[in-house]
Amino acid sequence: TQLLEQSPQFLSIQEGENLTVYCNSSSVFSSLQWYRQEPGEGPVLLVTVVTGGEVKKLKRLTFQFGDARKDSSLHITAAQPGDTGLYLCAGANAGGTSYGKLTFGQGTILTVHP
Amino acid sequence: NAGVMQNPRHLVRRRGQEARLRCSPMKGHSHVYWYRQLPEEGLKFMVYLQKENIIDESGMPKERFSAEFPKEGPSILRIQQVVRGDSAAYFCASSPRVRGETQYFGPGTRLLVL
Repeated sequence: TQLLEQSPQFLSIQEGENLTVYCNSSSVFSSLQWYRQEPGEGPVLLVTVVTGGEVKKLKRLTFQFGDARKDSSLHITAAQPGDTGLYLCAGANAGGTSYGKLTFGQGTILTVHP
Repeated sequence: NAGVMQNPRHLVRRRGQEARLRCSPMKGHSHVYWYRQLPEEGLKFMVYLQKENIIDESGMPKERFSAEFPKEGPSILRIQQVVRGDSAAYFCASSPRVRGETQYFGPGTRLLVL
């Protein structure tokens, strides 16, 4: 069974601070996706990283995929109250009969105070 | 291009009744995935379907749960004789490619069993 450990589980910071969320696993993933989920809604895709060592930037968000494709991080620079939400990482299976399913981390609830 | 559609958004059932959850994938997507999000837990994979085929149902409870994706029409997740423990948010995702490396989620159906 693949597991994806996401940390921290809760993060409460002031506007303007930087933060990093981590996802770690002992398993290799073919790709890793980051989502953001608002209360009462479904996860909304932020980014997909595919190549080991890949770095993608989305405005103030920077996503990195580990060289071995076992871990990933999300870094937010100068956080704003609008960044408040639940952030989820999800790894896609590298192969075998379960290649279609995503394994999700437990999520990080981010609160950015004005 | 419309996103993944799910209905109903909210469903209330009494113990012992049946629940039918529907999912229409994004246009051009032929791969559908169902996930369940229990209160205070992350998303868990249930089943992966292509048109008229179940590819991976390793996350489905062995009894009372079934899923289909017919040649015409939406994918259906069916829960027979619901129990209180079935109360959860059920999300459908779709992808265009075989490996499902990028999945797009619907808004979910919140099932409440009284």
